[in-house]
Amino acid sequence: SQKIEQNSEALNIQEGKTATLTCNYTNYSPAYLQWYRQDPGRGPVFLLLIRENEKEKRKERLKVTFDTTLKQSLFHITASQPADSATYLCALDTGFQKLVFGTGTRLLVSP
Amino acid sequence: NAGVTQTPKFQVLKTGQSMTLQCAQDMNHNSMYWYRQDPGMGLRLIYYSASEGTTDKGEVPNGYNVSRLNKREFSLRLESAAPSQTSVYFCASSEAGGRGAQPQHFGDGTRLSIL
Repeated sequence: SQKIEQNSEALNIQEGKTATLTCNYTNYSPAYLQWYRQDPGRGPVFLLLIRENEKEKRKERLKVTFDTTLKQSLFHITASQPADSATYLCALDTGFQKLVFGTGTRLLVSP
Repeated sequence: NAGVTQTPKFQVLKTGQSMTLQCAQDMNHNSMYWYRQDPGMGLRLIYYSASEGTTDKGEVPNGYNVSRLNKREFSLRLESAAPSQTSVYFCASSEAGGRGAQPQHFGDGTRLSIL
């Protein structure tokens, strides 16, 4: 069956370090993968989109990689700040203009 | 721009009651979506509308109906609410585009409790 896995345990890191979040999937062949940020009590906010033929995408302190062989995406936040504390969701396209979301990983950045 | 606006923000219903969740977007997007989010389950698609006049079922459509009233508005109706429908409901919109190539823009949700 199709499955998207994100680490359900919170990731705790110190300010200034690089946070790395993982999204693994099985039985999908997505052409696109998206990352969203969700703060408590708010809706998800789009961060980055990466295509299957792109190995890496960057936006300011954010970097996403997409390895279709490993069926994995890594999401990096460099020089992390307490304001980066949130839940981060990955989402895969299903081939029909619809997305399937992972359950998200909570990131806690301590000063 | 308000983006995606959902009303109400909170609602408590009794089992068997009906209600309609409203969603409107001001970004001129063709596609709109309804999700529910439950602890440990992530966002699950209930229904979506690829364009005005069309609607399709998502992963968990049972117990819900939708109406794409016009290009701006997409409503979700619970005809006979059940405790299992207690959840946070999110509406989203996106540009039309092949596969998952377009970012989705979300409202801030409706928190629905069914007693």
